[in-house]
Amino acid sequence: DIQLTQSPSSLSASVGDRVTITCRASESVTKYLNWYLQQPGKAPALLMYGVSTLHRGVPSRFSGSGSGTEFTLTITSLRPEDVGTYYCQQSFSTVYTFGQGTKLEIK
Amino acid sequence: QVQLQESGPGLVKPSQTLSLTCNVSGGSVNSGGFYWTWIRQHPGKGLEWIGYMSDTGSLYYNPSLRSRLSIAVDTSTNQFSLRLSSVTAADAAVYYCAACGYTGARYSMDYWGQGTVVTVSS
Repeated sequence: DIQLTQSPSSLSASVGDRVTITCRASESVTKYLNWYLQQPGKAPALLMYGVSTLHRGVPSRFSGSGSGTEFTLTITSLRPEDVGTYYCQQSFSTVYTFGQGTKLEIK
Repeated sequence: QVQLQESGPGLVKPSQTLSLTCNVSGGSVNSGGFYWTWIRQHPGKGLEWIGYMSDTGSLYYNPSLRSRLSIAVDTSTNQFSLRLSSVTAADAAVYYCAACGYTGARYSMDYWGQGTVVTVSS
């Protein structure tokens, strides 16, 4: 199976900060990399797919980049509603896998 | 917009079979465009992909669960289901159903159910 490793595992940032989360794959997933946000007490929700395409309704302060084995999710100006756990997920392999998650809190 | 809702017993005895159903509304399970997917989350842990049935009927399962797992789609009720046999305490989790949307360039879980808690206990 393709392993996804996210860093950091947790972080605390202030409202308005720029936040970056990294996802590294154990082998190339080309562009088949998606990001999800699980807000506290809720089901996960798709943020973006195909590395950098925002899902409908997702604000433009979220962006994604990368290819192959290294990817980043960036929030340009953190808002309180962005708290939760972020997961990357690959769909290059027929066995899908998720990263272990990055928990984002507000300072 | 597709909406999903899981249902099933919240308590299962060890060695028995866990059966969950996902009701699909706002779309049809046989209209194409989605792979019908199950995902679980152990308490306080991350997400684990369980498997899916594609719109052509192909099945893809997590290898760690394959020998105990069955996913099926019922077009008459517009639902899809999960059956996991010989459960143990390690199968206690929140189970989510999801609609994996696809185009030529991506496969992603576009829509999720709210999740259902499954406890394994005698």
